[in-house]
Amino acid sequence: DAGVTQSPTHLIKTRGQHVTLRCSPISGHKSVSWYQQVLGQGPQFIFQYYEKEERGRGNFPDRFSARQFPNYSSELNVNALLLGDSALYLCASSLVQVRDQPQHFGDGTRLSIL
Amino acid sequence: AQKVTQAQTEISVVEKEDVTLDCVYETRDTTYYLFWYKQPPSGELVFLIRRNSFDEQNEISGRYSWNFQKSTSSFNFTITASQVVDSAVYFCALSEAGYSGGGADGLTFGKGTHLIIQP
Repeated sequence: DAGVTQSPTHLIKTRGQHVTLRCSPISGHKSVSWYQQVLGQGPQFIFQYYEKEERGRGNFPDRFSARQFPNYSSELNVNALLLGDSALYLCASSLVQVRDQPQHFGDGTRLSIL
Repeated sequence: AQKVTQAQTEISVVEKEDVTLDCVYETRDTTYYLFWYKQPPSGELVFLIRRNSFDEQNEISGRYSWNFQKSTSSFNFTITASQVVDSAVYFCALSEAGYSGGGADGLTFGKGTHLIIQP
């Protein structure tokens, strides 16, 4: 079975632009989470979606938004990009919304803001 | 609020040496889950182990072992007879209350320990 897939792999944007990142969970997984990983730091939680509803949100500004589709894939949108948004964006999926379920991560999208 | 501390930023050892990665956590919940993930240079986080707060039994999986001690809020990870392929950044993470992978706050990660195994 395919793992979590993310696209694109790399992306370069300029300040003020917006970006959409995509994620396909492992087949059968209904929960998707997004994390931001700045160089040299651990991932930071952005959003969690389960059954197409937002179930959790981290401490990120409203410029960040996401959604989950009927096929459980997900998009992360970031508006009005800032230099500080440069990071590796990781998507993770898990079977259900149970706290002990390990999350399975994709390879991430590396976003660079010029 | 929950917090995970990995005090060792970088560790470098020679192949075949044993190495222990430290993880200290803070949480007010009585029920929580601890995880270790490995991040090779490719970027993907690879799940290694999960431990719940009610199970303090140590675990061994091949060359890997984990020591969970609630009394010191620690969940340390030991690699025995290290190999070059073990070189990666290792993250300890905490999940508490609520939903999958940590609920409303998601997984809380430490800053990671960069492990370098020299041949």
